Amino acid sequence: DGGITQSPKYLFRKEGQNVTLSCEQNLNHDAMYWYRQDPGQGLRLIYYSQIVNDFQKGDIAEGYSVSREKKESFPLTVTSAQKNPTAFYLCASSREVFTGELFFGEGSRLTVL
Amino acid sequence: AQTVTQSQPEMSVQEAETVTLSCTYDTSESDYYLFWYKQPPSRQMILVIRQEAYKQQNATENRFSVNFQKAAKSFSLKISDSQLGDAAMYFCAYRSAGGTSYGKLTFGQGTILTVHP
Repeated sequence: DGGITQSPKYLFRKEGQNVTLSCEQNLNHDAMYWYRQDPGQGLRLIYYSQIVNDFQKGDIAEGYSVSREKKESFPLTVTSAQKNPTAFYLCASSREVFTGELFFGEGSRLTVL
Repeated sequence: AQTVTQSQPEMSVQEAETVTLSCTYDTSESDYYLFWYKQPPSRQMILVIRQEAYKQQNATENRFSVNFQKAAKSFSLKISDSQLGDAAMYFCAYRSAGGTSYGKLTFGQGTILTVHP
């Protein structure tokens, strides 16, 4: 079955450590996205990529980094520079930029101890 | 910048009854898409319904329908014959159809829907 796989589902990190969240899709979608979800707030865009080897900052990119070396993969690194990293992170993809429909993974919950 | 506002943090409905979730948005664009997403306890976001701004006809998907008022910038979701499985957080979202913000979804804050048996 086609879909988006995020791993790990739960992750604990000590302050000062970088951590990388994995996102893999087998939908053959060109565009991929990372969103952050906090309680009481809607999803906020961190980074997005329309095509391999290209990505753009979203609304809250500070303290995060991404890469898009393969069409199927769009990993997100939460660096020690991110002030409040504890959150739920959602990866999504879409076939092309103008179709509008995003398909989401099941998310990764990051907790900084 | 576009903004999306959901003024109802929580709503509840009796099973088999109808409920309407509200959403307003602010934009200067004329061409865009609007969406309702459902996030059940499993946390995976699921698309419920979408509306293209250039279409005057309101979108319908089985028990889910929207009331799209372009001039008022309003996009409400009506759930008919509510079921226990409809209980979830519902997000309204806006997406530009072009320009520099293409590909970006702007979400509202969400509405938690509780369905009572």
